[in-house]
Amino acid sequence: GNSVTQMEGPVTLSEEAFLTINCTYTATGYPSLFWYVQYPGEGLQLLLKATKADDKGSNKGFEATYRKETTSFHLEKGSVQVSDSAVYFCALHTGGFKTIFGAGTRLFVKA
Amino acid sequence: GAVVSQHPSWVICKSGTSVKIECRSLDFQATTMFWYRQFPKQSLMLMATSNEGSKATYEQGVEKDKFLINHASLTLSTLTVTSAHPEDSSFYICSARKATSGGKGDEQYFGPGTRLTVT
Repeated sequence: GNSVTQMEGPVTLSEEAFLTINCTYTATGYPSLFWYVQYPGEGLQLLLKATKADDKGSNKGFEATYRKETTSFHLEKGSVQVSDSAVYFCALHTGGFKTIFGAGTRLFVKA
Repeated sequence: GAVVSQHPSWVICKSGTSVKIECRSLDFQATTMFWYRQFPKQSLMLMATSNEGSKATYEQGVEKDKFLINHASLTLSTLTVTSAHPEDSSFYICSARKATSGGKGDEQYFGPGTRLTVT
């Protein structure tokens, strides 16, 4: 079946540090991949997405590249800010109606 | 943009009562809406998929008689938690997919969530 595995959190970084949150997936067919972000007390917002192999999604300084050979979609940011503190969810969609979410990784950024 | 609203944003109710949560797509039509439940510090658990004009499809383990879902129009879906108990306390999130979409690259638009506390 389809699944998404994320690195366990929480991840604690100092401001301006480099961020990587690992995400790997298992899927039949060719999924689209997403990163969603959830700020405290809020719903999820789409951060970025990639729909085919080697695509790079980017937004607000975050990037992730769809790697089919390693079935990965790691999230990176070169310099995090306190305002980036949130929970990040990796997800995949293979068409049909369902999106499969990872467990989420909580990020704390210290000033 | 594509905005999804939920009402109420938080609700406290007594055990045994029923609570209705509304999910609206404000600037687009949504043939499909999803209801999720999220426990503290955990991921989203899909409860059901709601298609406009038809019965909702519930995930395994979700009691359809307890969590009543109605998707009466292309912009509104409701979740009613019947005979609520303290263990139903959770964060409920809805999401919607645009009516014109259907491809695997289409994102879901999420509501801000409703925090339910049953005392």
